[in-house]
Amino acid sequence: QVKLVQSGAEVKKPGAAVKVSCKTSGYTFTSYDISWVRQAPGQGLEWMGWISPYNSKTDYTQSLQGRVTMTTDTSTSTAYMELRSLTSDDTAVYYCARYSSSWYEAGHWGQGTLVTVSS
Amino acid sequence: DIQMTQSPSSLSASVGDRVTITCRASQSIGSYLNWYQQKPGKAPNLLIFAASTLQSGVPSRFSGSGSGTDFTLTISSLQPEDFAAYYCQQSYNVPRTFGQGTKVEIK
Repeated sequence: QVKLVQSGAEVKKPGAAVKVSCKTSGYTFTSYDISWVRQAPGQGLEWMGWISPYNSKTDYTQSLQGRVTMTTDTSTSTAYMELRSLTSDDTAVYYCARYSSSWYEAGHWGQGTLVTVSS
Repeated sequence: DIQMTQSPSSLSASVGDRVTITCRASQSIGSYLNWYQQKPGKAPNLLIFAASTLQSGVPSRFSGSGSGTDFTLTISSLQPEDFAAYYCQQSYNVPRTFGQGTKVEIK
C-alpha cells in the first residue's frame, strides 16, 4: 500500500532553516509528483509547491520563492522540503502529498510534521 | 493566482441533515476541482476529484457537482463521523490554491 512517512517535529529559532523529509513506499516513486502543503495553527491549508521526482522540476508559490527548496532522492524514494530564514509565521504543520498525473488530486498524504519557530 | 472562495465558513447541522457547501473560483477551472475532509490533528483526506468523481472508499452520501467557476459538495445525510473541516482546491494551474475551509459542527 502507498505510504508517505514524514520526519518528526522540529523546533527552530527565527532565522534558522528546517528540512522536512517524506519517505515514500508502495509505488514507483518517479511516477508521481509530490506537493507540500502547510497549515498554521487554527488556519486553513496553504499549497507551497511541487516537485517531479522524475526530472526534479519544481514550482513554488510566489510568497515562498527564494526561501523554499524541494528536492528528492530517488535512491531512497524520499522527498525533502527545506525552508530558510524562518519566522514565527512559518510555525505550522507541514504535509507532503502524492498527486495523480491526471486531475492532480492528492490521494495520499504524509502524517504531517509540526515545525515550531520560537526564540 | 486563482482565488477559491468557500461558503459558508462554518455551519451547524444535525445528524441526518442534508448539507451543501459551495466553492467559487475566480476564473474558469473546468472540472479541476477537488474536495478534502480534514479532522482535527489529521492530514486531509481526498473525498472527490474532477469535481464529481468519488474517491475510492468514500461513502456515497458524499457527492460533488459543478464546472467552470461554481462547485458544490453535498452530504446527503450527515453522519457523526462527518463533523470535520472541508476544503476545496483547484488543480487547474499552479499555485494549486485551496478555499479557506468550511467547518461542519454539531447542532
